[in-house]
Amino acid sequence: SQQGEEDPQALSIQEGENATMNCSYKTSINNLQWYRQNSGRGLVHLILIRSNEREKHSGRLRVTLDTSKKSSSLLITASRAADTASYFCATIIQGAQKLVFGQGTRLTINP
Amino acid sequence: DTAVSQTPKYLVTQMGNDKSIKCEQNLGHDTMYWYKQDSKKFLKIMFSYNNKELIINETVPNRFSPKSPDKAHLNLHINSLELGDSAVYFCASSHSGASTNEKLFFGSGTQLSVL
Repeated sequence: SQQGEEDPQALSIQEGENATMNCSYKTSINNLQWYRQNSGRGLVHLILIRSNEREKHSGRLRVTLDTSKKSSSLLITASRAADTASYFCATIIQGAQKLVFGQGTRLTINP
Repeated sequence: DTAVSQTPKYLVTQMGNDKSIKCEQNLGHDTMYWYKQDSKKFLKIMFSYNNKELIINETVPNRFSPKSPDKAHLNLHINSLELGDSAVYFCASSHSGASTNEKLFFGSGTQLSVL
């Protein structure tokens, strides 16, 4: 079964607006990561947040983690056309040695 | 100078054939992975090797056989290809095992189409 589930599955916004994507997971984790996948390309790591952290920033990205709700959110501020991609959350399950991905949110930024 | 490179990028073949996908990383990483992404973008781990040793083998048909000749290479051989094997296969690597706070570096994928 899938560990992480992203919500929404698809999101379409205007350039300049903020985009928020959510991820929920089922079991205890060591950390949670977000990746971006452009069409026809491999995944690229964006940001990692540890289980003892609540918020992390990287440029226009802001990630929050709520371990009590087993959820995380990725906020992209001032979106650009180049942000159009699929975004995946991934978790490392405690005791396991594998990074498990959600199904992704397909983000479209309209010019 | 691509960090994780896999070949071929596209692979079109008939059912029943045997094919291989090659992967190489020049990052000096100890751990390499194969992931399968289906048509719904669902990404699932298949195998993981650490320093040429198999450490993760998910419930993958034994028609799939990974081989790691050295820690910089992880190839995937698939026997008797089936229609359901059609997917995009991604190779990835990390500095050490995924149990630490490591990020993965992905190749650009191999789109396999079985006709």
